[in-house]
Amino acid sequence: AQKITQTQPGMFVQEKEAVTLDCTYDTSDPSYGLFWYKQPSSGEMIFLIYQGSYDQQNATEGRYSLNFQKARKSANLVISASQLGDSAMYFCAMREGSYNQGGKLIFGQGTELSVKP
Amino acid sequence: EAGVVQSPRYKIIEKKQPVAFWCNPISGHNTLYWYRQNLGQGPELLIRYENEEAVDDSQLPKDRFSAERLKGVDSTLKIQPAELGDSAVYLCASSPGPSWGNEQFFGPGTRLTVL
Repeated sequence: AQKITQTQPGMFVQEKEAVTLDCTYDTSDPSYGLFWYKQPSSGEMIFLIYQGSYDQQNATEGRYSLNFQKARKSANLVISASQLGDSAMYFCAMREGSYNQGGKLIFGQGTELSVKP
Repeated sequence: EAGVVQSPRYKIIEKKQPVAFWCNPISGHNTLYWYRQNLGQGPELLIRYENEEAVDDSQLPKDRFSAERLKGVDSTLKIQPAELGDSAVYLCASSPGPSWGNEQFFGPGTRLTVL
């Protein structure tokens, strides 16, 4: 079974509008972390935002916020006021395991976001 | 502060040839990861190091892949011999430690094409 599912292969958004990228996850571990990364055409993975499974509040970082719905096992990324430079691939990822165990990031298939001027 | 450095950025080889990728993590980062990213997919972990110790290499195809991090700093990933299916982007990442809250910082990757 897929651990991380991103159901939107591609998304379009008008510049200055908000957009939501979907991510659902599957784990039986009570301790996990959820991440969003941006990958522009240059190839580098850029960290955007992190949410811990025990965090009570949704994470926010500037124009990025994570809509964390634990019961639904979803961790959607919301980008407010889209900019042309936001056009890229976006990956949702999960790390399972207890604190200090480390552990690999499990990535979804990605969503390609295109921002229209 | 310098980011994760990888070289080469691009490599084209014929099948059955050997190839090696090099990674220098961010200074002070004890944890180093190698990921492989196939076209149109997310990265998949190949191996994780804590200092010089490989603590998770369960997804490294050990018949043809090898990796080392001798002094706990930079690392080399090798494929010998390469197969057509090894064409992918190989990403190196580092983090300060294994704590799962720490973000991983990625390098630009090495794009390998096997002909």
